[in-house]
Amino acid sequence: ILNVEQSPQSLHVQEGDSTNFTCSFPSSNFYALHWYRWETAKSPEALFVMTLNGDEKKKGRISATLNTKEGYSYLYIKGSQPEDSATYLCAFMRVWNSGGYQKVTFGTGTKLQVIP
Amino acid sequence: DVKVTQSSRYLVKRTGEKVFLECVQDMDHENMFWYRQDPGLGLRLIYFSYDVKMKEKGDIPEGYSVSREKKERFSLILESASTNQTSMYLCASSSVNRGWNSPLHFGNGTRLTVT
Repeated sequence: ILNVEQSPQSLHVQEGDSTNFTCSFPSSNFYALHWYRWETAKSPEALFVMTLNGDEKKKGRISATLNTKEGYSYLYIKGSQPEDSATYLCAFMRVWNSGGYQKVTFGTGTKLQVIP
Repeated sequence: DVKVTQSSRYLVKRTGEKVFLECVQDMDHENMFWYRQDPGLGLRLIYFSYDVKMKEKGDIPEGYSVSREKKERFSLILESASTNQTSMYLCASSSVNRGWNSPLHFGNGTRLTVT
């Protein structure tokens, strides 16, 4: 079983604060790294798909960076709002059985609570 | 918009019962996945399928089997339900045609309780 680790496990921040979380993954056989947001009572939704070392992606106040050589990705939220409260999951994708099939392994998530 | 539909939101079954969890997607996706989510353990892959009648074991396949007779439907089967299979089950699908790195689209989950 691959180790995809996320830290911290949970986080409470005040509205307006900026925050960031870490995803660590194996640096070998890398294919792609995904970030998802999972709000309570909803299904996980994709935020970013990152494939190249040095990739940076941005969506509104949320951005992510990728370092495939050392096996980590950061997710940043600028000026956190209460609606950002959710669990943020990263997922590591590697090629499976040399056949190109996707095998996607998730981290345990970072649960963010933004306090108004 | 991709729609991934899981047949039940909540299920309560007895120990030893055979349980079927159904998942249907409407976007002609090749890949389909079953995960379970438990507190502190995140999403763990049970099985995945990359084509009709094809299946691969994930990280925790013991006690489960799957069936993919049609492209749009991926069923998870608990042959003899046990209390340690009480969990939230999530189905997902993704497309190969949009690139191997295309994101997963998830259903709303089935919360299964085995008593």
